[in-house]
Amino acid sequence: AQSVTQLDSQVPVFEEAPVELRCNYSSSVSVYLFWYVQYPNQGLQLLLKYLSGSTLVKGINGFEAEFNKSQTSFHLRKPSVHISDTAEYFCAVDANNQGGKLIFGQGTELSVKP
Amino acid sequence: DVKVTQSSRYLVKRTGEKVFLECVQDMDHENMFWYRQDPGLGLRLIYFSYDVKMKEKGDIPEGYSVSREKKERFSLILESASTNQTSMYLCASSPLLQAAATDTQYFGPGTRLTVL
Repeated sequence: AQSVTQLDSQVPVFEEAPVELRCNYSSSVSVYLFWYVQYPNQGLQLLLKYLSGSTLVKGINGFEAEFNKSQTSFHLRKPSVHISDTAEYFCAVDANNQGGKLIFGQGTELSVKP
Repeated sequence: DVKVTQSSRYLVKRTGEKVFLECVQDMDHENMFWYRQDPGLGLRLIYFSYDVKMKEKGDIPEGYSVSREKKERFSLILESASTNQTSMYLCASSPLLQAAATDTQYFGPGTRLTVL
C-alpha cells in the first residue's frame, strides 16, 4: 500500500530564513504528488502539484518543490519565509489511479517567528 | 472559483445522537470526499463518491454512512455519535479526468464536531 511520510511534525523558523519541509512516499509506480496548506481555522488549499514533466514545480506564495524519483521524495522549499506562512502543510500522493483518491501525510506545522 | 461549502463550522452533539454533515460544491465535480482530521494523523478518508448514488468506503468508514442524491451534495451521517468521533471533518471535491485519474481536490472550510 502507498504511504506518505512527513519527516518533521513541527518546524520553527525565523522570518526571512529559508525553509524545507520534507516528504517521502512509497510507491512502485508512477505517482502524482501534491502539497496543500491549511491556515488556522480554514480548509486546505493547493500549493503546488507534480503530475509530469519538469521535476521542479513552482507553486503559489513563492513555494517550490522538487520531485526526486530515486529518493522517492517531494520536499517543499521557500527561500525566505514570512510570518503569514505560518500554517500546517500536507504532502499527498495519488492512490494509484483509484478514482481521485489521495493519501495524505501527517502534516508539518510551520511556525514563523519574528 | 470553485466553492465547497459545509453546513456548519462548529457543532456540538450528545453521545447517541444522529448527526448530519452537509457538503455542497458548485463546480459540477464528479468526485466528492469526506475526511476527518486529527492532530498527528493528517487527513484520513472516510468515504468518497464518484457519481450520484455511488459511494465507496475509504480507510475509516466504521460508524459513518454517506448519501449522494444530487451531484452537488454529499452528506456524511453519524448514525449514533460517540465521543471518539470528536474531530474536524473536511469535505472535498474534484473533477474526474480522462487521462489522469487524480487532480486537485478543493476543500471546504471544515466542521469541528464535538461529541459530549
